[in-house]
Amino acid sequence: ILNVEQSPQSLHVQEGDSTNFTCSFPSSNFYALHWYRWETAKSPEALFVMTLNGDEKKKGRISATLNTKEGYSYLYIKGSQPEDSATYLCAFVDYKLSFGAGTTVTVRA
Amino acid sequence: ETGVTQTPRHLVMGMTNKKSLKCEQHLGHNAMYWYKQSAKKPLELMFVYNFKEQTENNSVPSRFSPECPNSSHLFLHLHTLQPEDSALYLCASSQEAVGTSIQYNEQFFGPGTRLTVL
Repeated sequence: ILNVEQSPQSLHVQEGDSTNFTCSFPSSNFYALHWYRWETAKSPEALFVMTLNGDEKKKGRISATLNTKEGYSYLYIKGSQPEDSATYLCAFVDYKLSFGAGTTVTVRA
Repeated sequence: ETGVTQTPRHLVMGMTNKKSLKCEQHLGHNAMYWYKQSAKKPLELMFVYNFKEQTENNSVPSRFSPECPNSSHLFLHLHTLQPEDSALYLCASSQEAVGTSIQYNEQFFGPGTRLTVL
């Protein structure tokens, strides 16, 4: 069983503040690392698929970095807005895809 | 319809019932997936189909029986389920991949079926 761990489990952010959280994964047999955003009552939506050590990806105010040698990825939200409230899932791919439990972000107006 | 659709959205069934969950994708993908999410647990991959062929079964009990008649449709047939099978069942699709893990590609999820087994 692969350990894909996300921390913190939840966090509360004031509107306008920036935040970041972590996905940790095994550093061997790495193929890819996915990030998804899952808003309440909606479907999970892909944010990024990252494959190379040192990758940095950006989508609007959200960005992610990847360190495959040490087995972690950070997701950053700049200037949080209420619509950023969601659970953010990472998924590690070696020969199969394993999801973390997610970080639930609540942005307070 | 666009994207990935799932029906029904909610299902309540007894342990002796037989029911089926349906998933349809309108994205032209050739890989489809069933996931289970139990309360306070990560998403668990159950089955993977690539070009209608099952490529992965993650030790799922035989009371769950998948069927993929074509690349656009995926079913999950349920029979003699247990209360602990109550969960959210998500379907997803992705582009196929040749020569590497098909789970390499981003996945497009449906809204899920909330299943309650009494």
